[in-house]
Amino acid sequence: GAVVSQHPSWVICKSGTSVKIECRSLDFQATTMFWYRQFPKQSLMLMATSNEGSKATYEQGVEKDKFLINHASLTLSTLTVTSAHPEDSSFYICSARDLGWDKGNTIYFGEGSWLTVV
Amino acid sequence: QKEVEQDPGPLSVPEGAIVSLNCTYSNSAFQYFMWYRQYSRKGPELLMYTYSSGNKEDGRFTAQVDKSSKYISLFIRDSQPSDSATYLCAMKGRTGYSGGGADGLTFGKGTHLIIQP
Repeated sequence: GAVVSQHPSWVICKSGTSVKIECRSLDFQATTMFWYRQFPKQSLMLMATSNEGSKATYEQGVEKDKFLINHASLTLSTLTVTSAHPEDSSFYICSARDLGWDKGNTIYFGEGSWLTVV
Repeated sequence: QKEVEQDPGPLSVPEGAIVSLNCTYSNSAFQYFMWYRQYSRKGPELLMYTYSSGNKEDGRFTAQVDKSSKYISLFIRDSQPSDSATYLCAMKGRTGYSGGGADGLTFGKGTHLIIQP
């Protein structure tokens, strides 16, 4: 299956600083990537859709100025948590779908990134 | 009624047992059905992907879809402690279907499975 790589797998940062998380599709081109947040023992919560070459689309209730998304190439999307606070501590996961999506292909997830804000 | 229902568990079974995980859904537009396995502190890993009704087998795993009953199952034979994880079902509509999340998928909440050695 397709491989999606996420980096870093875990990060600790001080309150008020910004943190960048990268999501890469390793063996396919992903025109669309997605960013999720997951709290312990909860399902995935979709935060935003990252579109290559255009602005991201955010789900209701997600602050676009706090969670900056950039999708500069067909294989890379980044999520930057700006001015992080302890309540932003969470597990962030990305996913990507390839050009065969409309033909029935599914999406593939990254390994996730644990963010702890202290 | 939620579009996809999945018992969160935990489901605890002894090693070697056959495990049955299930999801029910209400939307007849769903055509593609997936099972993801998620270990603690890891991203979901695609296990099985099926289209429409029927069975699909891969090693110890069998995915079953019954569209008439709007019911899908994942069976794990000869369960191992390494199978302990959360199993998420997910569904997608046919091409052109605009439902689900922006990612096109509707997820169950996941079932936490524990295989006791």
